[in-house]
Amino acid sequence: ILNVEQSPQSLHVQEGDSTNFTCSFPSSNFYALHWYRWETAKSPEALFVMTLNGDEKKKGRISATLNTKEGYSYLYIKGSQPEDSATYLCAPLNFGNEKLTFGTGTRLTIIP
Amino acid sequence: EPEVTQTPSHQVTQMGQEVILRCVPISNHLYFYWYRQILGQKVEFLVSFYNNEISEKSEIFDDQFSVERPDGSNFTLKIRSTKLEDSAMYFCASSERTDSTNEKLFFGSGTQLSVL
Repeated sequence: ILNVEQSPQSLHVQEGDSTNFTCSFPSSNFYALHWYRWETAKSPEALFVMTLNGDEKKKGRISATLNTKEGYSYLYIKGSQPEDSATYLCAPLNFGNEKLTFGTGTRLTIIP
Repeated sequence: EPEVTQTPSHQVTQMGQEVILRCVPISNHLYFYWYRQILGQKVEFLVSFYNNEISEKSEIFDDQFSVERPDGSNFTLKIRSTKLEDSAMYFCASSERTDSTNEKLFFGSGTQLSVL
C-alpha cells in the first residue's frame, strides 16, 4: 500500500492571494502522478497527469511541479478566486499497477 | 462535453440485500474503474476493467463484489450481500489510456450507498 501524504489538510486563503500545497509519495517504482479537483456535490475532475521528473504543468492560474527522485509534487494557485474552493487530491500510479492511490486531500476555502 | 453518468445517485438498502450500481462510461474510453469513499476516509480503489475482464482488483473487492459490462455502454458494480461497512460513496470512472498523455480518469458524480 502506497503512503501518500497531502499537506496541509485544510487551508483558508483570502481571495486574490496565491497559495500552494504538497503531495508526497514513495519515489520507488513511480510511473505517474495525478492531481484532481473535487468540488462539493460534483465529481472529481482531473487537473494534471505528470510523469517526468522536473515536469511542470499549467492550467490557467493553477500549476504543478513534480520531483520523482524525492517523491513530492506541489500544486500552486495564483490569485485565488472563490471558484477555486474545493478539495485537491493527488494520486500516484506505480509501474505495472492500474490503481490510483489517493491522498486524503487538501481542502481549500477561498474567503471573499 | 462527454461525461460519465451514474445511477442511482442515492441507494438505501437493508443489510444482506443485493445492490447493483450502474454507470455509463464515456463512449470511446477503454478502461473502467470503481472507486469508493467511506465518509471521512480516503478515496479507495476497488477494481479496474479492460477488454471485458478485470485487470486489477484491491483486497476490498472480495467475492461479494462483481463487475460486468452487459452491453456496449453500461458498466455495473454488484454487491451480493451488503454489509454495514459497505456504506460509502461509489464512483465509477473511465479513461482512454491509449498512452501516458491521456491517462486521466473521468469520474461520475457517484452513488451514495447507505446500508441499514
